[in-house]
Amino acid sequence: AQSVTQLDSQVPVFEEAPVELRCNYSSSVSVYLFWYVQYPNQGLQLLLKYLSGSTLVKGINGFEAEFNKSQTSFHLRKPSVHISDTAEYFCAVSEFNNNNDMRFGAGTRLTVKP
Amino acid sequence: NAGVTQTPKFRVLKTGQSMTLLCAQDMNHEYMYWYRQDPGMGLRLIHYSVGEGTTAKGEVPDGYNVSRLKKQNFLLGLESAAPSQTSVYFCASSPFFRDQPQHFGDGTRLSIL
Repeated sequence: AQSVTQLDSQVPVFEEAPVELRCNYSSSVSVYLFWYVQYPNQGLQLLLKYLSGSTLVKGINGFEAEFNKSQTSFHLRKPSVHISDTAEYFCAVSEFNNNNDMRFGAGTRLTVKP
Repeated sequence: NAGVTQTPKFRVLKTGQSMTLLCAQDMNHEYMYWYRQDPGMGLRLIHYSVGEGTTAKGEVPDGYNVSRLKKQNFLLGLESAAPSQTSVYFCASSPFFRDQPQHFGDGTRLSIL
């Protein structure tokens, strides 16, 4: 079965600085990749997804992610963060042949400081 | 535009008590899921359903039961609550196609004393 590792549990950053949240996955088959964001006391919301095609995927709120098959990574980036980006971010992977099991990483807490 | 609605939002139980968490979706999705979220562990799948009348076990099913009598509803039951089941529970739904994201409710915070 697939698995996801988010390499940083917490990422503090100052406002207007760039940020990268790292995600690595493992799977023996082709995968779909997702990034979700969770604001306090809310459920998860989709930021972006990679299905196929261009390896650079753009999402909402100025976020983007790059799929790197050789490194089995799907890192999330934003060139300039805002206070409102403070949230928990989850990377998730589902396999082409298995719609029943989306695996989530442990999450990365992004804290944007003024 | 409700999406996925979970009730209740908060609940405190005593060890050994039972309860049912309700999830309702209005998007006509085929698939529904129950997850638990614990600090440092992300979301772990408890049970899921691929359609009305069907359920299956996920990663951490022990101590929970589910039912999907109607397409729009997915119920999660705790027959005899234990402190280890203290968690935040999320329901999600998704369309049939596996490249579609899941849509989440706002969660139920459950404490077992």
